[in-house]
Amino acid sequence: EAGVVQSPRYKIIEKKQPVAFWCNPISGHNTLYWYLQNLGQGPELLIRYENEEAVDDSQLPKDRFSAERLKGVDSTLKIQPAELGDSAVYLCASSLGGLAGGTDTQYFGPGTRLTVL
Amino acid sequence: KQEVTQIPAALSVPEGENLVLNCSFTDSAIYNLQWFRQDPGKGLTSLLLIQSSQREQTSGRLNASLDKSSGRSTLYIAASQPGDSATYLCAVGGMNTGFQKLVFGTGTRLLVSP
Repeated sequence: EAGVVQSPRYKIIEKKQPVAFWCNPISGHNTLYWYLQNLGQGPELLIRYENEEAVDDSQLPKDRFSAERLKGVDSTLKIQPAELGDSAVYLCASSLGGLAGGTDTQYFGPGTRLTVL
Repeated sequence: KQEVTQIPAALSVPEGENLVLNCSFTDSAIYNLQWFRQDPGKGLTSLLLIQSSQREQTSGRLNASLDKSSGRSTLYIAASQPGDSATYLCAVGGMNTGFQKLVFGTGTRLLVSP
C-alpha cells in the first residue's frame, strides 16, 4: 500500500514568489494534516482537514498561506508571496479520522523542503 | 498551552548499549502519547502509541512508558544498533475540538556507533 505522497520534494524560490505543495494521502484516510517543521524543531500543525472541511486552521498564517482539499482527497498548500522565514520542511500526514482521540495514528509523507532566497 | 520537552537533545552511544530517551509535557489532559522516528530528509515514522489509560507499550526492542500524572514518558531502546541512529520525537495528543491534535517536542538526535 502506498504511503503519503508529497511533491515536490525540494523547492528553491526567490522571496515574493508564489509556491505550492501537493499531498496525496493514504487511500481511505479522511483526515489530512499539514505541518511546518523548522530546522532542529518538531513539526507544528498548520491546518487539519476532516474530509473537505478545515476543522483546525488556527495556526495557518492566512495573510499569505492558503490550503484546499478538493473532493476530500488530495490537498494543496500555497504560499503567496513567500518570505525568507518560510524556509522549512512542509510535512503532510493523514489518518483514518472520525475518532475523538483514540488510536488515530498519523502517517507522514517525506515532506517538501522549501528554500526561499 | 501544551509544551513538550525532550531531554537530551543529542545522544551518542556505542553499539549494544541500552538507552533511555525522556519526554515531559505540561498539561496532563491528553488522549495519548506517540513516539516517532525521523531519518534525515525523510518524514516521520510512528514507533509506539500509548493511550492515556495505558502505562506502557512495547514493540521489539522498544518500550515506551507513560506517567500521565507527572507529565512524563520514556522511550527505552534495548541493545542499540547503528540502524537506530535517527531523531526521535515525542508527540502528545491533546483534547482539542474533540479531534486528535499532536504537539511535538524538539526531538533527541541519537547516534549509535559501530
